[in-house]
Amino acid sequence: EVQLVESGGGLVQPGGSLRLSCAASGFTFSSYWMSWVRQAPGKGLEWVANIKQDGSEKYYVDSVKGRFTISRDNAKNSLYLQMNSLRAEDTAVYYCARDRCLWIGDCYSDYWGQGTLVTVSS
Amino acid sequence: QSVLTQPPSASGTPGQRVTISCSGSSSNIGSNTVNWYQQLPGTAPKLLIYSNNQRPSGVPDRFSGSKSGTSASLAISGLQSEDEADYYCAAWDDSLNGKVFGGGTKLTVL
Repeated sequence: EVQLVESGGGLVQPGGSLRLSCAASGFTFSSYWMSWVRQAPGKGLEWVANIKQDGSEKYYVDSVKGRFTISRDNAKNSLYLQMNSLRAEDTAVYYCARDRCLWIGDCYSDYWGQGTLVTVSS
Repeated sequence: QSVLTQPPSASGTPGQRVTISCSGSSSNIGSNTVNWYQQLPGTAPKLLIYSNNQRPSGVPDRFSGSKSGTSASLAISGLQSEDEADYYCAAWDDSLNGKVFGGGTKLTVL
């Protein structure tokens, strides 16, 4: 059974940092692209970043470029999101998702974690 | 404002057929595939349709997707109360070099 379990969320002050983790199990982690998607309270879904199987390609939404870094450790079956210079508008539930991609323009997230809440507030 | 445009709400009675539209541009829907996700209240999103019109195993054939030019649609036939949820379309955008979601459509079963 595919499982994705996020952790690392919490309350952080503006300008602070947080590192999210996603533990994957039930599939060959190193064979899949992975994504982070967030959802602000009461709002819609927003894609944050994704990473290729070997970490050689990474893409980010403009609003987090230079502040967030997506990474993975295939030996540990884990996905990470390092978030620096956090802002109030980064407050959201962050979901980890497994992606199936024929090519970058034909990618879909077929499994999602339960999400972890990040609150940026003083 | 989302790159992909969806109506904020839709509704129907049990048994009816409803459609949800998703409008984009040549850099996203026009050149890449569209996916649809269902999000029930308080839960994580679930993949409903991928590659424009493909259903993952376990998704009822009441759900169907289509794409034409720079627009896509999700159709739900034989509407059921458990279909009440938020629905999102998504596609890769070549200009933004990232994935974009629609703003979401809240479906109410009357």
